[in-house]
Amino acid sequence: EPEVTQTPSHQVTQMGQEVILRCVPISNHLYFYWYRQILGQKVEFLVSFYNNEISEKSEIFDDQFSVERPDGSNFTLKIRSTKLEDSAMYFCASSARGGSNQPQHFGDGTRLSIL
Amino acid sequence: KQEVTQIPAALSVPEGENLVLNCSFTDSAIYNLQWFRQDPGKGLTSLLLIQSSQREQTSGRLNASLDKSSGRSTLYIAASQPGDSATYLCAVSRLKNTGNQFYFGTGTSLTVIP
Repeated sequence: EPEVTQTPSHQVTQMGQEVILRCVPISNHLYFYWYRQILGQKVEFLVSFYNNEISEKSEIFDDQFSVERPDGSNFTLKIRSTKLEDSAMYFCASSARGGSNQPQHFGDGTRLSIL
Repeated sequence: KQEVTQIPAALSVPEGENLVLNCSFTDSAIYNLQWFRQDPGKGLTSLLLIQSSQREQTSGRLNASLDKSSGRSTLYIAASQPGDSATYLCAVSRLKNTGNQFYFGTGTSLTVIP
């Protein structure tokens, strides 16, 4: 069964450094998402992406964050200047449509640790 | 803002028991509701998706119901097995034609004892 893949599985970065998290969504999917989960807390929506542009973003997704689909297969999340509070699991998801009958499929996540 | 609550936070049952996990949400204007399973250190596996117009969905030993007007959903697991041990999350989405933003609950951690 097709799956969403994320790399790396674990990223350790010094505070203030830039980090790029990578995702390969399921190939025929059109909608892409990033979520994060701080240890012990809820999964939180960050951003959705459709037709090569951001369709919705949460208040968490400030100017430090950006997303890009640089080619036909990858979907990336960049954090420009990381802070300690950015430490979390980051999940990428994709769906075939944004409509009601298509579930979102999640990757295994990237654990981001900021030192 | 949509708030999603899951009760109980943790549940431990002997193998073979039937069990019910509860999810409640504050804003009934949802588009759909999805139940996920999360294993330690892993991503989320989709279990069932219920559209707002539906009352329930079934997959194998799992049955999810939705009562939109009262803001509740339940996930029923029949004949539980040790392999069912995981955290179960429910998430509700609101209608957007450019992608659905999900609001997640904090999850129910299930342990099935052999």
